[in-house]
Amino acid sequence: KNEVEQSPQNLTAQEGEFITINCSYSVGISALHWLQQHPGGGIVSLFMLSSGKKKHGRLIATINIQEKHSSLHITASHPRDSAVYICAVKGDSGGYYGGSQGNLIFGKGTKLSVKP
Amino acid sequence: DTGVSQDPRHKITKRGQNVTFRCDPISEHNRLYWYRQTLGQGPEFLTYFQNEAQLEKSRLLSDRFSAERPKGSFSTLEIQRTEQGDSAMYLCASSSIQGTGELFFGEGSRLTVL
Repeated sequence: KNEVEQSPQNLTAQEGEFITINCSYSVGISALHWLQQHPGGGIVSLFMLSSGKKKHGRLIATINIQEKHSSLHITASHPRDSAVYICAVKGDSGGYYGGSQGNLIFGKGTKLSVKP
Repeated sequence: DTGVSQDPRHKITKRGQNVTFRCDPISEHNRLYWYRQTLGQGPEFLTYFQNEAQLEKSRLLSDRFSAERPKGSFSTLEIQRTEQGDSAMYLCASSSIQGTGELFFGEGSRLTVL
């Protein structure tokens, strides 16, 4: 079992739909990242959060530390939102990852396709 | 500043050849990371620098791989005696100790080993 699991693996939506991508992790973390990767390969950081909720434009990220779960929501989806969305976690200082500063553990990503 | 830049963007090489990738981080960022990503998978951590010091290396980084950051600015990742299994996207990211910890990624260097 991977330490970071994302669902769904693939998601197709119609333009304008509300989209939710989920991320579950199995160990204590100090931070969780949501990243966006376009077909060319470049990755853009969308959010870094350790508690609660963050919003940026049409994107909302939430995290529930007790349940070890995070969600990324996209409101009023648009074809330009089509990309792979990746969840990554950074372990806490005393946890499984040994306090590593560099060792982010990534999910496999969710491939989103928004049709016009 | 134009962000994190990587060079070359694409490299095709024959098995057994050596390749080197370069990463120029955001200028004030003191942390630099290398990741590898194969098709359909999320990135995997390779190594991490704080200034010029290489603080951590993944078990994925075999002895054919070496990374340097000699002056604490740009970094190079060299793969010696490439194998077909080395074919992947090699991603570089940087961050600042003083900042939020947010990572800024480059566009990646795609390696194809024939």
